[in-house]
Amino acid sequence: DAGVTQSPTHLIKTRGQHVTLRCSPISGHKSVSWYQQVLGQGPQFIFQYYEKEERGRGNFPDRFSARQFPNYSSELNVNALLLGDSALYLCASSLVGTGANVLTFGAGSRLTVL
Amino acid sequence: QKEVEQDPGPLSVPEGAIVSLNCTYSNSAFQYFMWYRQYSRKGPELLMYTYSSGNKEDGRFTAQVDKSSKYISLFIRDSQPSDSATYLCAMSARSGTSYGKLTFGQGTILTVHP
Repeated sequence: DAGVTQSPTHLIKTRGQHVTLRCSPISGHKSVSWYQQVLGQGPQFIFQYYEKEERGRGNFPDRFSARQFPNYSSELNVNALLLGDSALYLCASSLVGTGANVLTFGAGSRLTVL
Repeated sequence: QKEVEQDPGPLSVPEGAIVSLNCTYSNSAFQYFMWYRQYSRKGPELLMYTYSSGNKEDGRFTAQVDKSSKYISLFIRDSQPSDSATYLCAMSARSGTSYGKLTFGQGTILTVHP
């Protein structure tokens, strides 16, 4: 059974550009969350979506946006890229109704902003 | 002050040693406590999950939660070179449909040498 898949795995952008990252959750998982992990730090919560609605937002600027599609896949968009946006972007999915915050993470998309 | 504090290490131990990893936190609302393992260039992988205070054992791994002291620990017995990774503690205050927000520690880099 496929886990959480993310694309692209690596990408390089320049300051001011826009980036779209994609995530496919585990089959049957309806909740998708996005995290940013800067080198040497733990992941930081960006967004959570459940049933195509935003259910949580972390302390990130409006340049960051996301959406969830009817098939529960998700996109994270970042506009006007800054050098500080260079990080590993992790997507995680979870099964509704478990009563627990058990997230399964993908391998991430590594973004470098030059 | 960060909500979750974790000694980043690095921690280097010989094979067979007992490893103790720790996190402290300040948010009394945290109820769910997790330990994730992250290998280089991979996403975090759930190791242990605990609700509220107490101990939980799974093979060579034991998780302890002391909510009165706001302190959690992960013990690894008979450590192996394959345990070499970054260990992340994570916590959450809510369940229900708002699963997605975990607050992570900085991560502890562990190396087990033969």
